[in-house]
Amino acid sequence: DIQLTQSPSFLSASVGDRVTITCRASQGISSYLAWYQQKPGKAPKLLIYAASTLQSGVPSRFSGSGSGTEFTLTISSLQPEDFATYYCQQLNSYPRITFGQGTRLEIK
Amino acid sequence: QLQLQESGPGLVKPSETLSLTCTVSGGSISSSSYYWGWIRQPPGKGLEWIGSIYYSGSTYYNPSLKSRVTISVDTSKNQFSLKLSSVTAADTAVYYCARQADVGYCTGGVCYPLIGWVDYWGQGTLVTVSS
Repeated sequence: DIQLTQSPSFLSASVGDRVTITCRASQGISSYLAWYQQKPGKAPKLLIYAASTLQSGVPSRFSGSGSGTEFTLTISSLQPEDFATYYCQQLNSYPRITFGQGTRLEIK
Repeated sequence: QLQLQESGPGLVKPSETLSLTCTVSGGSISSSSYYWGWIRQPPGKGLEWIGSIYYSGSTYYNPSLKSRVTISVDTSKNQFSLKLSSVTAADTAVYYCARQADVGYCTGGVCYPLIGWVDYWGQGTLVTVSS
């Protein structure tokens, strides 16, 4: 099975900060990676798919990059509504789809 | 606007079968560009893919749950369903139904199914396994 490891697991930052979350795959997955944002009590929301394609309606301060085994989600200037938990998901390992363990982003 | 809504019992006894239905509105479940899946999240924990079904009825399951899972589709009702048998407390979770992109491809005359990202989620339903 392909394992996804997110780092850090917990991140404290301030409004206006630039933050980066990393997702590492245990083997190459090309660009078959998505990023989601989840707020407490809510379903996850798709932010990025195919490693770097911004989902329609998602603010441009979110961006994704990477291919193979290392991927990043960057928020260029944190807004109050961005404090949430972020998950990466790999799609390349048929038939098993897996998620990273999550990165909790909190206000400093 | 596409909407997905889970329904089913919120409490299931150990060893029994968990049954949930997802009703899709605002779009057809028979679309050839999407899979329809179930994902769960134990309280305070991360996300786990359970399985997905294509409109044609082809199913794909998480190997760790495969022996206990059945996903089916009813195109006449625009619904798909999940059955998880022999449940234990470890199956207590919020269960989400979801629409997943079809990112399969063909090369050299062979086609490879590939279930993609989730672009629409249900609101989730908490199922507790307890006697």
